Amino acid sequence: QSALTQPASVSGFPKQSITISCTGTSGDIGSYNSVSWYQQHPGKAPKLIISDVSNRPSGVSSRFSGSKSGNTASLTISGLRTEDEADYYCCSYTTKNTRVFGGGTKLTVL
Amino acid sequence: EVQLVESGGGLVEPGGSPRLSCRASGFTFSIYSMNWVRQAPGKGLEWVSSISSSTDHIYYGDSVKGRFTISRDNAKSSLYLQMDNLRVEDTAVYYCVRDEYGGYGFEIWGQGTLVTVSS
Repeated sequence: QSALTQPASVSGFPKQSITISCTGTSGDIGSYNSVSWYQQHPGKAPKLIISDVSNRPSGVSSRFSGSKSGNTASLTISGLRTEDEADYYCCSYTTKNTRVFGGGTKLTVL
Repeated sequence: EVQLVESGGGLVEPGGSPRLSCRASGFTFSIYSMNWVRQAPGKGLEWVSSISSSTDHIYYGDSVKGRFTISRDNAKSSLYLQMDNLRVEDTAVYYCVRDEYGGYGFEIWGQGTLVTVSS
């Protein structure tokens, strides 16, 4: 199972919006609305910020939103804040009943 | 408080067979699917294995299939990962992770336990 494809890095200024893409195949993202996104700060465990493509768990800021089109999912962070600087990972359920992560995207808030 | 606490990590020689444990608390462990996810030093996340609440569905990633075995003891609210024939490339922080109820989001994460495979 090949990893989902994410850009290695993205950056933006405070208050701006950024979007991170996550490209898979018809065997994962394209077949299910089971894409999730995770935020990981250095030395910390990942945190679920989006599940089922666009659902925000309780307590997650509304500045985080998710979407999907075909084999590509996207995470948008609006109103960037310094505390958003972290690594972001997408993950999808697959047709083989497994899960696959993206390679991760490092977000830098300039 | 909902919590997952891993143990069993440490320095292991190539070919070794450690067993990781994860103790759950603060929720009804027996109704949730559970997973192991690992992260090599400086690298990304990699899903390792999952097990359904009643153990009738078990799946593994290609890189560990045939070498790792996931199991659980609902009476003890515990998840396990038996790791056999370890390789240097298995060096990673191993996280115990709870699925969302009825979903596939990795909702609750432990703090992780580091397994270092080296001679």
